Amino acid sequence: ETGVTQTPRHLVMGMTNKKSLKCEQHLGHNAMYWYKQSAKKPLELMFVYNFKEQTENNSVPSRFSPECPNSSHLFLHLHTLQPEDSALYLCASSQVGEGLDTQYFGPGTRLTVL
Amino acid sequence: AQTVTQSQPEMSVQEAETVTLSCTYDTSENNYYLFWYKQPPSRQMILVIRQEAYKQQNATENRFSVNFQKAAKSFSLKISDSQLGDTAMYFCAFMKESGGGADGLTFGKGTHLIIQP
Repeated sequence: ETGVTQTPRHLVMGMTNKKSLKCEQHLGHNAMYWYKQSAKKPLELMFVYNFKEQTENNSVPSRFSPECPNSSHLFLHLHTLQPEDSALYLCASSQVGEGLDTQYFGPGTRLTVL
Repeated sequence: AQTVTQSQPEMSVQEAETVTLSCTYDTSENNYYLFWYKQPPSRQMILVIRQEAYKQQNATENRFSVNFQKAAKSFSLKISDSQLGDTAMYFCAFMKESGGGADGLTFGKGTHLIIQP
């Protein structure tokens, strides 16, 4: 596989469920990101990981818990979500420290919370 | 904090025409990067073009070019010879220069561009 992959592509969950979103980048990058794209709102940055260390948590509720075990994998663990958390969750990666850090995105996970 | 404004929620042009999408931003940073991303119906976010703020020369990528006006904080995208496959949401994005660290993008609300046959 090439680029940035995300699984699952679609997820429906109840408010009491626990699920995880997975992102994998095959670009040799050292930074990874989670974004949330809701209807009628701009894309919102959620988390930033640089060399596996979380460097930004953009005031995200604790029901979203990120995990970055290595520079190629990024997870978003979900628990007790609310219907307003339904959105497209996008993962991105970039190579920082070498000039222009362009972020490349995965195809997203469409999450529906019932 | 940075803000990015795209004032055109939707635009529609005929195939082969030239179209310009507008973007303005607000920042107190002096070093930063600007991007245009395209999101077709598949929802895959695709990089269209990028610009370093310290470069005066406008970036070009084939049919895509930008008009970067740093003093005016304006970053418009021009698409020449538009094609049906250009139909998509177009997002303008800002990223500050973080000295070797990772930083997130700040996005505008997007412009839905429709290319009519």
